[in-house]
Amino acid sequence: AQSVTQLGSHVSVSEGALVLLRCNYSSSVPPYLFWYVQYPNQGLQLLLKYTTGATLVKGINGFEAEFKKSETSFHLTKPSAHMSDAAEYFCAVSDKVGGGADGLTFGKGTHLIIQP
Amino acid sequence: DSGVTQTPKHLITATGQRVTLRCSPRSGDLSVYWYQQSLDQGLQFLIQYYNGEERAKGNILERFSAQQFPDLHSELNLSSLELGDSALYFCASSVGTDHEKLFFGSGTQLSVL
Repeated sequence: AQSVTQLGSHVSVSEGALVLLRCNYSSSVPPYLFWYVQYPNQGLQLLLKYTTGATLVKGINGFEAEFKKSETSFHLTKPSAHMSDAAEYFCAVSDKVGGGADGLTFGKGTHLIIQP
Repeated sequence: DSGVTQTPKHLITATGQRVTLRCSPRSGDLSVYWYQQSLDQGLQFLIQYYNGEERAKGNILERFSAQQFPDLHSELNLSSLELGDSALYFCASSVGTDHEKLFFGSGTQLSVL
């Protein structure tokens, strides 16, 4: 079975500062990894994904994440936070592209707060 | 706007009742997924349909059922409702059968009183 742990249910950063949202996963096979963002009163949107190939993945809105197999991590970063980045961020894992019987397994989410 | 439409946006009902949540996928998407989001459980995968057929099943209770119709819209039926069923229910769609890129609707907030 796969699982996802997001460290920190709330993260607060100043506008212009580095954003780092942590995600660790557990999977018995090479994982497919995703970050989704949820803005208030909206559904989730895909930020970026890692399936195979280059371990540094770039997504929308200036976000990127690096797959580190040795650390079983897929942390999300952005060099400079913007007020519009305030949202809930979810890390997710799948053990196959097709999602399998478990679908996507999501972490509990991290609420990103941007301080002016 | 993701192109996925969910109705209603809010639903308030009593314990023991039955409700139906509706989802219209993005034009051209054949797969529909249902997720439940609650404070204690987080986001949980319930069930997936592809072109009218059940494709994958997650943590869906026996009191819950779903179907996908020939026009590809889907309905999630929740019966014998309990207080613990109060949650945000999301529908998502994708072109094929994989989870590589899901498009989520805005959800239906269910409150069981």
